[in-house]
Amino acid sequence: NAGVTQTPKFQVLKTGQSMTLQCAQDMNHEYMSWYRQDPGMGLRLIHYSVGAGITDQGEVPNGYNVSRSTTEDFPLRLLSAAPSQTSVYFCASSYSTGNPGAQYFGPGTRLLVL
Amino acid sequence: DQQVKQNSPSLSVQEGRISILNCDYTNSMFDYFLWYKKYPAEGPTFLISISSIKDKNEDGRFTVFLNKSAKHLSLHIVPSQPGDSAVYFCAASALLNTDKLIFGTGTRLQVFP
Repeated sequence: NAGVTQTPKFQVLKTGQSMTLQCAQDMNHEYMSWYRQDPGMGLRLIHYSVGAGITDQGEVPNGYNVSRSTTEDFPLRLLSAAPSQTSVYFCASSYSTGNPGAQYFGPGTRLLVL
Repeated sequence: DQQVKQNSPSLSVQEGRISILNCDYTNSMFDYFLWYKKYPAEGPTFLISISSIKDKNEDGRFTVFLNKSAKHLSLHIVPSQPGDSAVYFCAASALLNTDKLIFGTGTRLQVFP
């Protein structure tokens, strides 16, 4: 199993540009989520999904869109990038909801918005 | 408002000694707590967890203690090893909302020979 994979590893955007951060898992996990990590802030939940077709907002959802059309994929979309979205983004998955300890994290995508 | 706080941004411990990492929380609805470990350029990995019905959970060299009245938990690593050098995040969730993990800001542990 590849586990949780994220692409790209690093991306530079200009303000106003759009992009999609990709996340995929091959463990047939129901639950997937996106976090951002900023210095001095820890990891903050952006959006999460408890299954295909179901998504919900986390702590900091503004400026981000998600969809879950398949069990395997959970892309994160930035429609109009802002410098405040410069961060490291982590995708995570787990077998089922109600089991937060079993979350597997991807290696992260480092995003710089100029 | 930071609901989960790790007030020590860094900790340095000699190999073989005990490492104690602390975490405080403010939300009394939290009832499940976790510790994650993170190496540079990698995602966090789950280390150990504890439910609010317990006050201690042990897994090998790692023990987590929970003091509900003080809203405080700690992670003990005994003995500390150089490979334990990483950033440690405390996280919490509430029974009615287990899908949402709230993370602390992390403590960087350095174990030196």
